[in-house]
Amino acid sequence: DGGITQSPKYLFRKEGQNVTLSCEQNLNHDAMYWYRQDPGQGLRLIYYSQIVNDFQKGDIAEGYSVSREKKESFPLTVTSAQKNPTAFYLCASSIPGLVDQPQHFGDGTRLSIL
Amino acid sequence: GEDVEQSLFLSVREGDSSVINCTYTDSSSTYLYWYKQEPGAGLQLLTYIFSNMDMKQDQRLTVLLNKKDKHLSLRIADTQTGDSAIYFCAVPMDSSYKLIFGSGTRLLVRP
Repeated sequence: DGGITQSPKYLFRKEGQNVTLSCEQNLNHDAMYWYRQDPGQGLRLIYYSQIVNDFQKGDIAEGYSVSREKKESFPLTVTSAQKNPTAFYLCASSIPGLVDQPQHFGDGTRLSIL
Repeated sequence: GEDVEQSLFLSVREGDSSVINCTYTDSSSTYLYWYKQEPGAGLQLLTYIFSNMDMKQDQRLTVLLNKKDKHLSLRIADTQTGDSAIYFCAVPMDSSYKLIFGSGTRLLVRP
């Protein structure tokens, strides 16, 4: 079955440490997205990529980095510069312009600070 | 920029109807979406409506759109305990495929 796989489901970060969240999709979608979800605040866009080897900052990119070397993969690194990283992180993908399935989501990674 | 607002919480009794409301600011949005999030999971697309429609019905779900007031609502008929979740409305930004999400409405269905 096609879908988006995020790993790990739970992740713990120590002070000063960078951590990388994995997102893999086998839907052959061109566009991929990373969102951060905090309680009561909905989803905020961190980074998005419309095509391989290209990505743009979203609304809250500071303290995060991404790469898009392959169509199916869009890993997110939470750097030590992100001072409040505790949140639920969601990855999504889409075929731009396809209205009846605009974005397909993974099951998320919950990141906590040790 | 686009702003999307929802109330944070709704509690209904099992079997009653639920109505979740959403307001938005960008009048150029061509389609609007409703997503459902169950605990600890990602978002699942429930339904969507084109901006040239006033209403769309899909089994127990009814979406109403008032373009003049920029108001969108999701009605769930015969609400069941399995409908307990967070519901997000989402609006494309600048008529693009990037979505702006509301803060989500947590629906609690009481037995």
